[in-house]
Amino acid sequence: GAVVSQHPSWVICKSGTSVKIECRSLDFQATTMFWYRQFPKQSLMLMATSNEGSKATYEQGVEKDKFLINHASLTLSTLTVTSAHPEDSSFYICSARGGTPPFEQYFGPGTRLTVT
Amino acid sequence: DAKTTQPPSMDCAEGRAANLPCNHSTISGNEYVYWYRQIHSQGPQYIIHGLKNNETNEMASLIITEDRKSSTLILPHATLRDTAVYYCIVRVNRGYNQGGKLIFGQGTELSVKP
Repeated sequence: GAVVSQHPSWVICKSGTSVKIECRSLDFQATTMFWYRQFPKQSLMLMATSNEGSKATYEQGVEKDKFLINHASLTLSTLTVTSAHPEDSSFYICSARGGTPPFEQYFGPGTRLTVT
Repeated sequence: DAKTTQPPSMDCAEGRAANLPCNHSTISGNEYVYWYRQIHSQGPQYIIHGLKNNETNEMASLIITEDRKSSTLILPHATLRDTAVYYCIVRVNRGYNQGGKLIFGQGTELSVKP
């Protein structure tokens, strides 16, 4: 299957700082990218959907000013957690969907964020 | 997108077939059934998907009932590395920029035991 990478794989930051997570589709052009969050022992929760060159669409309850998403190219999307707090500590997973059949959706390995 | 119901956990002996059921009684005609799995602390991995017909690939087989209200994922010879949470998701797949979102339920935690 297609490869999606994330960087960093884990990050520790202090409360009040901002953290940027990168998501790249390595061998296909991702017209749509998704960001999920997963707390321990819970399922993945979709945070937002972004199409290349457009503003992201956020799911209900997700603060768009806190979780800034940029999808500037067909292979790169970034998620910036602004003014991070300990409750933002979570596993963040990106996913990318190609623009050609079969339009499958592939997931990155995830980024573990710990806010101290 | 339609909701799915899966048992929270299942056990399977190594080398035996693992049959994971999924109920999606409210599925609509243009929704596909997708299966993903997530091994601990990793991103989900695509397994297989189907619309009406049974499907098979190198990882698994997908059996969809004729009324499409339920399906079964079959791992023919489960190994210890198949221990994971398996998610059954229904989603529209209309093509470029029109596919539905993958919304994850709680999934089935499959434990393959020696």
